[in-house]
Amino acid sequence: DAKTTQPNSMESNEEEPVHLPCNHSTISGTDYIHWYRQLPSQGPEYVIHGLTSNVNNRMASLAIAEDRKSSTLILHRATLRDAAVYYCILRDVISPTGTASKLTFGTGTRLQVTL
Amino acid sequence: EPEVTQTPSHQVTQMGQEVILRCVPISNHLYFYWYRQILGQKVEFLVSFYNNEISEKSEIFDDQFSVERPDGSNFTLKIRSTKLEDSAMYFCASMRVRAYNEQFFGPGTRLTVL
Repeated sequence: DAKTTQPNSMESNEEEPVHLPCNHSTISGTDYIHWYRQLPSQGPEYVIHGLTSNVNNRMASLAIAEDRKSSTLILHRATLRDAAVYYCILRDVISPTGTASKLTFGTGTRLQVTL
Repeated sequence: EPEVTQTPSHQVTQMGQEVILRCVPISNHLYFYWYRQILGQKVEFLVSFYNNEISEKSEIFDDQFSVERPDGSNFTLKIRSTKLEDSAMYFCASMRVRAYNEQFFGPGTRLTVL
């Protein structure tokens, strides 16, 4: 699996935007970029995914660099409920296991949100 | 909103005992997974299951582990003879179709092996 690199931790003030970076310089053309988060004492939760174009949903935005070697998850207005570990994960849709491909979690970025 | 459920929330067992962890995936999902997370460590993939057979398994998923979909709704993980190092949170996940779709995770079962 292609590797991702994220900062160990970041801090943000409530109601301010947060930009969570991820480097994936060895990404292949068939890798989708996924973001999941894990709130304290809970299972991981899907946030967003993309391939080449920037993506928006109700939770966040995903900005993907033109060369796809990096991406940024953007939380537009962080709240205390957004304090979690955020994982950037690459999934190869034509891997040998194809449609059943697993998620490979790294250590992620621990986001702290303060008042 | 449909969700993945897991029972029990906490299981305590003696070393060497068999445990079965239960999951009810979202009803129209076709792909099922088990992951585990040892306290303070990364979430690790154990096994994926599709069309009533294992699609992929990790090195952790040795002969002591098995999975089953005994009926149309439950998905179980059995550990035949638990070891101290099996103590972890076990998460079940399910997915509707395709590798680039989201996986929905359950709340987890905390397994404590004494």
